[in-house]
Amino acid sequence: EVQLVESGGGSIQPGGSLTLSCVASGFAFDDHAMHWVRQRPGKGLEWVSGITWNSGKVGYGDSVKDRFIVSRENAKNSVYLRLSRLEPADTALYYCARDSEPNYYDSYKLDVWGRGTPVTVSS
Amino acid sequence: QSVLTQPPSVSGAPGQRVTISCTGGDSNIGLGYDVHWYQQRPGTAPKLLIFGNKNRPSGVPDRFSGSKSGTSASLAITGLRADDEADYYCQSYDILLSGSVFGGGTKVTVL
Repeated sequence: EVQLVESGGGSIQPGGSLTLSCVASGFAFDDHAMHWVRQRPGKGLEWVSGITWNSGKVGYGDSVKDRFIVSRENAKNSVYLRLSRLEPADTALYYCARDSEPNYYDSYKLDVWGRGTPVTVSS
Repeated sequence: QSVLTQPPSVSGAPGQRVTISCTGGDSNIGLGYDVHWYQQRPGTAPKLLIFGNKNRPSGVPDRFSGSKSGTSASLAITGLRADDEADYYCQSYDILLSGSVFGGGTKVTVL
């Protein structure tokens, strides 16, 4: 079964840091770019970051640029998102999603999604 | 304020047809970038519904169709069913933002 499982979310104070993980199974992980998408409570979807199959290129949404870092370990079928200098506005459910293509900038077609991991930023 | 504009809500009776618009601009849809659509039922993760403007992944019924023209795209649902109640999001690429953008989402209610 094709599956993505996120973990690492939790409650954290403003200014803090957190690393989210996403483990993939059921498909050839290194054939696909990966993305992170978040959804603030009661709000819509927001693209956060993308990474190519070989980590050769990464991209970020404007609201997280310079604060978040995406990475992956193909040997572990895993993609990560390091969140730093967190703000209350970063409170959201963070989804990991698979791109149908190896290079995310060719597609942004998100054909498999995890269930998400929640992040709450509050003092 | 989303780069792609969708109506907040649409509704229809069972069996009817509804359409959802997604209006962008010259830096995204108007430049020819593909539009994808996602369905998100309450409490669940989004699901790819339409890709490349008009294509359906396997398993998506042909009651769902997509189209694109100029700076806008549309999703149509025919033969509306109770389990179509969900939020629907359009997505494209924006060259000025150098990244993907989503519409604000449209809630479909079956009366």
